[in-house]
Formats: sequence, structure tokens, C-alpha cells
Amino acid sequence: AAGVIQSPRHLIKEKRETATLKCYPIPRHDTVYWYQQGPGQDPQFLISFYEKMQSDKGSIPDRFSAQQFSDYHSELNMSSLELGDSALYFCASTHRRADTEAFFGQGTRLTVV
Amino acid sequence: AQSVAQPEDQVNVAEGNPLTVKCTYSVSGNPYLFWYVQYPNRGLQFLLKYITGDNLVKGSYGFEAEFNKSQTSFHLKKPSALVSDSALYFCAVRAMDTGRRALTFGSGTRLQVQP
Repeated sequence: AAGVIQSPRHLIKEKRETATLKCYPIPRHDTVYWYQQGPGQDPQFLISFYEKMQSDKGSIPDRFSAQQFSDYHSELNMSSLELGDSALYFCASTHRRADTEAFFGQGTRLTVV
Repeated sequence: AQSVAQPEDQVNVAEGNPLTVKCTYSVSGNPYLFWYVQYPNRGLQFLLKYITGDNLVKGSYGFEAEFNKSQTSFHLKKPSALVSDSALYFCAVRAMDTGRRALTFGSGTRLQVQP
């Protein structure tokens, strides 16, 4: 069965650079969530989208933005990267009406040096 | 606000013995409760969920969890642990009745099963 696809799997950036993370949800899923998991930490909710509109906002820094496109894939844009942004970034998708559990991608490991 | 507490950073159990990973939660209204497992450098894999109905929920790989409303707990259990169960386990909650659908996770419990 198709799963949530995230790209890239690994990314190394320097401080003050920008990064774009991509997420392709499970087919027919209409909701995407982004989470950040720091080293040894639990995943923290950043932002979510439903039907291409932002549906909720968590602890996403102002330096980050995201959007969901017409094909339901989502991109997380991160600017002015800081060392503390080094983390595993997860995308999860669900189908809102079916109210399924969230299915997570493998994550993108971002390292800021 | 919603929160999850996993009081044990690590649980050690011998292979073949029963295991329990503890979770308590706080949420306004009725909860949706979940358990996820994470292997090193991997994503979160769904194990089981409680939505409504029977308090004992059965999930993947022989795991089960018991919802206890009065104790606001959702402990994960397995009758006989396997070495391959060694991983990081996260309990998560979201409110059934409010707008926020994102999950709130506990701090995770590392399960170590010794051969």
C-alpha cells in the first residue's frame, strides 16, 4: 500500500540558509500535518492543512512557512536556518471525513551546521 | 490544552515476559488515544487506537491497550515480549470534540527486551 512519502530523507544546510521539505500524502488523504522531533524529544506539532487551506498552527517559527498544493502534496519552507532547527521533520496524512489515524512518513533529517 | 505523560523513560523486560508501557493523558472532553512505535531513524508506525467502544483495544504485533476513563490512562501491554519489540513507544492524544486534530505526544518510553 502507498505510504506517506517525504523528500529528501537527509539534508545538510549551513546557518542562515534556506531549506524546502516535501511531503506527498497517501492518495485520497486530504489533510497533512507537519511535526518536528528534536534529538531525544517527542514530536511537536508545527502546522496542518486541510483541502489546501491552513487548518491549524502549532509551534511553527515565523521563519518557517508551509503550503498544500492542488495535488495535496505539501512543502515546508524554512529560512534563516539556525543550529537549533536540526531535527527530524515528519509529515503525516489523514482523511478528515473518515477520521483515520495519522500515517507518518519516514521523515527528513535536517542538520544545520 | 491537552497533554500526555509517559512516566517511564525506559522499560526493561525479559523476552517472553509480559510488558506494560504506561500512559496517562489530559484532554478537554472525550479523547482519541493512540500508540505509535519508532525504530531508530525511522518514522512513527501506528500500533493501535481507542476511539470509542470496548476499553480493551487490540492492535498490531500482539499489542493491546486498555482505556481507563476514571484513571485517564491508556497503558500499552503485550502478554509475551519479543527482542524485536525493542524500540521507542509514543502515546498520543487528541480531543474528539474540539477543532484541533493534531496529535499531542508523550515524551516516549524506550522498551528494551533482553534475550
